[in-house]
Amino acid sequence: GIQVEQSPPDLILQEGANSTLRCNFSDSVNNLQWFHQNPWGQLINLFYIPSGTKQNGRLSATTVATERYSLLYISSSQTTDSGVYFCACPGAGSYQLTFGKGTKLSVIP
Amino acid sequence: EAQVTQNPRYLITVTGKKLTVTCSQNMNHEYMSWYRQDPGLGLRQIYYSMNVEVTDKGDVPEGYKVSRKEKRNFPLILESPSPNQTSLYFCAAGYNSPLHFGNGTRLTVT
Repeated sequence: GIQVEQSPPDLILQEGANSTLRCNFSDSVNNLQWFHQNPWGQLINLFYIPSGTKQNGRLSATTVATERYSLLYISSSQTTDSGVYFCACPGAGSYQLTFGKGTKLSVIP
Repeated sequence: EAQVTQNPRYLITVTGKKLTVTCSQNMNHEYMSWYRQDPGLGLRQIYYSMNVEVTDKGDVPEGYKVSRKEKRNFPLILESPSPNQTSLYFCAAGYNSPLHFGNGTRLTVT
């Protein structure tokens, strides 16, 4: 099946800093999503982004499907951005979603 | 409001006692899925369903059953739970659209 790798595994930021999280995948995809799991365990969809670039407030995401990676940008980070960020996608011809292991982000005041 | 509702939120049970975790969605999505989340292993898909009466195995289906008799509901059944099924479980709906998760069910099997 498809391999999904996220980097870095852990990230500590000062409030106000910017960051880039990366998701590499081993197969062509037609569906890629980013999620945030907050400290209370809730999983929130941030972006459905099979290709191109999207922005939502301080967050934006870019997927370059031909090069098999996606990036999540967080600007002017806030303590409420803390948590774990996951990307997920299916393999070519598959409906089975595979998640990366996540990037744990800690934003400190 | 788009919603995926799973119940119960917390469940403690004993080995071998059958249990069902319910999941329902109000978004009319054809695709629904179940995941378990374990420390160090991340989120792994248990089963998914592409439509009513159509289900398929994910990465870790052993010890679980599902059914999809109607579009909005997708229950997860553990016929004979074992301690290695102690985990945090999530139901989700959506596929070629933003995937929405329920709030999770923390299951402990003693």
